[in-house]
Amino acid sequence: GEDVEQSLFLSVREGDSSVINCTYTDSSSTYLYWYKQEPGAGLQLLTYIFSNMDMKQDQRLTVLLNKKDKHLSLRIADTQTGDSAIYFCAEINQAGTALIFGKGTTLSVSS
Amino acid sequence: EADIYQTPRYLVIGTGKKITLECSQTMGHDKMYWYQQDPGMELHLIHYSYGVNSTEKGDLSSESTVSRIRTEHFPLTLESARPSHTSQYLCASSEFDRGVDGYTFGSGTRLTVV
Repeated sequence: GEDVEQSLFLSVREGDSSVINCTYTDSSSTYLYWYKQEPGAGLQLLTYIFSNMDMKQDQRLTVLLNKKDKHLSLRIADTQTGDSAIYFCAEINQAGTALIFGKGTTLSVSS
Repeated sequence: EADIYQTPRYLVIGTGKKITLECSQTMGHDKMYWYQQDPGMELHLIHYSYGVNSTEKGDLSSESTVSRIRTEHFPLTLESARPSHTSQYLCASSEFDRGVDGYTFGSGTRLTVV
C-alpha cells in the first residue's frame, strides 16, 4: 500500500545544516511536497519538487529527489531556532484524490 | 495571511454532545479536505470534497460527516462526541489535484471530549 516514511526526530545546533529524509512508495507521484508545522498551527507549504527534477533550491532550502530509490530529502542551511518545527513529507495518493503525509520529523534547534 | 479559517480553535465538550467544526476558505478552491491529526502527529484523511454537493470518505474511517452546500464552506459534524474523537482536526483546500500549489491548511481545531 501507499506509505511515506520519515525519521521522527532530528536535533541540530544553530548554524548547522539539517537534513530531513523521506521515502515514498508511489513512483507515479507527479509532485512531492515538504510542509512545516509550528506548535499549535496548521501545516504550511515549504517547497515542492516536480518528479522530473533531481534538485530544487529555494534560499536556505534544498530538496533532493532520487527517483530510483524513491528517496526525498530536505536540507536546511544555517538552521535557526525559528526552524524548530515538525516537517512533513507528502505525495499524492494513488487514486489522485488527496495528499498522504509521513508521520513528520520533529526538528529541534539548540542555540 | 490565512485564507482558510477554522473555528473554534479549541473546544472541550462532554460525551454525547453534537458538534460542528467550521471551515471556510476565500480562495474559490473547489477541493477541500479534512485531516485528523493524532497525538503522534500523523495525519489521516477523513473526508474530501471536489465541489458543491460532492463529498467522499477518506482513508481513515470516521464517525463524522461533512457537507458541501457552498464552495467556500466545508463543515464537519460529530453527532455524538466520544473521548476517542479527541484529536486535532485540520481543514485544507486546493485548486488542483496534482498541481504545484499543494494544499492551504487552516490553523486547526483541537477537540477534547471529556
